[in-house]
Amino acid sequence: SSELTQDPAVSVALGQTVRITCQGDSLRSYYASWYQQKPGQAPVLVIYGKNNRPSGIPDRFSGSSSGNTASLTITGAQAEDEADYYCNSRDSSGNHHVVFGGGTKLTVL
Amino acid sequence: QVQLQESGPGLVKPSETLSLTCAVSGYSISSGYYWGWIRQPPGKGLEWIGSIYHSGSTYYNPSLKSRVTISVDTSKNQFSLKLSSVTAADTAVYYCARGYSGYDLGWFDPWGQGTLVTVSS
Repeated sequence: SSELTQDPAVSVALGQTVRITCQGDSLRSYYASWYQQKPGQAPVLVIYGKNNRPSGIPDRFSGSSSGNTASLTITGAQAEDEADYYCNSRDSSGNHHVVFGGGTKLTVL
Repeated sequence: QVQLQESGPGLVKPSETLSLTCAVSGYSISSGYYWGWIRQPPGKGLEWIGSIYHSGSTYYNPSLKSRVTISVDTSKNQFSLKLSSVTAADTAVYYCARGYSGYDLGWFDPWGQGTLVTVSS
């Protein structure tokens, strides 16, 4: 098994750029995927793979990776981006097991 | 588009078995991908429970493996979760989702709306 670590909370001024990070050994082998979850709603995939956005996700969302750290960047944060963000990846065991990070609460000031 | 909908009892007694079903529309389970269950205790983060391929191959979270069974019914285009010997710690919103597990990545999309299951006598 493996773990993914996220900062519990991050804030950003409206219109500014924010980076949310995710650390874990599995990220040396697998790309992270990122999910946005607003209160009372199901998570929504916003980034997967090297830096891919599902249809309908604004291009202000981007992803990157280096070593054991994956990052989700929001360039020009909007009020509607205030949400919890979770990373996930396959775990480092080599099978199809999955692990999630603990989540980051993003506040847009 | 692909849609998933969870169904099952919202209240389960301690020591009993939690049973949920996820109905899939807009996509045939037999066509591929894999299908997962994820839960979220109130106010907490996401926890992967397990996943199943259309072929029936299953993968479970090691911390829950002894209590979890996931099965698929391709004729009804749905898959199911059973979690035995539940306790209050199993109280959570349970989500089903379509997943992909590839050479160097994995993701879940889309997700069902989730269903709250409370374990209480």
